[in-house]
Amino acid sequence: GAVVSQHPSRVICKSGTSVKIECRSLDFQATTMFWYRQFPKQSLMLMATSNEGSKATYEQGVEKDKFLINHASLTLSTLTVTSAHPEDSSFYICSARVMAKDTEAFFGQGTRLTVV
Amino acid sequence: LAKTTQPISMDSYEGQEVNITCSHNNIATNDYITWYQQFPSQGPRFIIQGYKTKVTNEVASLFIPADRKSSTLSLPRVSLSDTAVYYCLVRITGGFKTIFGAGTRLFVKA
Repeated sequence: GAVVSQHPSRVICKSGTSVKIECRSLDFQATTMFWYRQFPKQSLMLMATSNEGSKATYEQGVEKDKFLINHASLTLSTLTVTSAHPEDSSFYICSARVMAKDTEAFFGQGTRLTVV
Repeated sequence: LAKTTQPISMDSYEGQEVNITCSHNNIATNDYITWYQQFPSQGPRFIIQGYKTKVTNEVASLFIPADRKSSTLSLPRVSLSDTAVYYCLVRITGGFKTIFGAGTRLFVKA
């Protein structure tokens, strides 16, 4: 199957700093990628839909100025958590679908963010 | 997007067949049913997808009755490594959003 890679796999940052997480589709092109966050023992919550070359679409309740998404190419989307606080500590996961194909979504391995 | 309902958790023993049923009463004509598996601190992994009747691959089978208001994921002869959370999702053909329900935590015991 198609491979989606996230980097870093885990990161620790200080309160008030910003952290960037990368999501890459390694062997396919994706015009659309998705960002999720997951708290312990809970399901994945969709945060936003990242569209190549245009603005991201955020789900209700997700602060777009807090979670900056950039999808500059067909293989890369980035999520920047700005002015991070301890409550932003979570597991962030991205996914992507193969462009122009009606296939299942492929997920990255996730990024564990800890804000101290 | 159709809402899905699954059991919160299930227990099984190694070597047994496990069946996890998902309800999706308001599934639409163009909706597919997809199942994912997730281990702790990992992204979900695609297991199987179907539209109607039965689909089988190397790891699981998916049974979908004629009314498509439910589906059953069947895992043959589970092992300890099958302990994970299993998610049932419904999405429209060509639709992009993948919305996760609560999932089913499967515990496989020795």
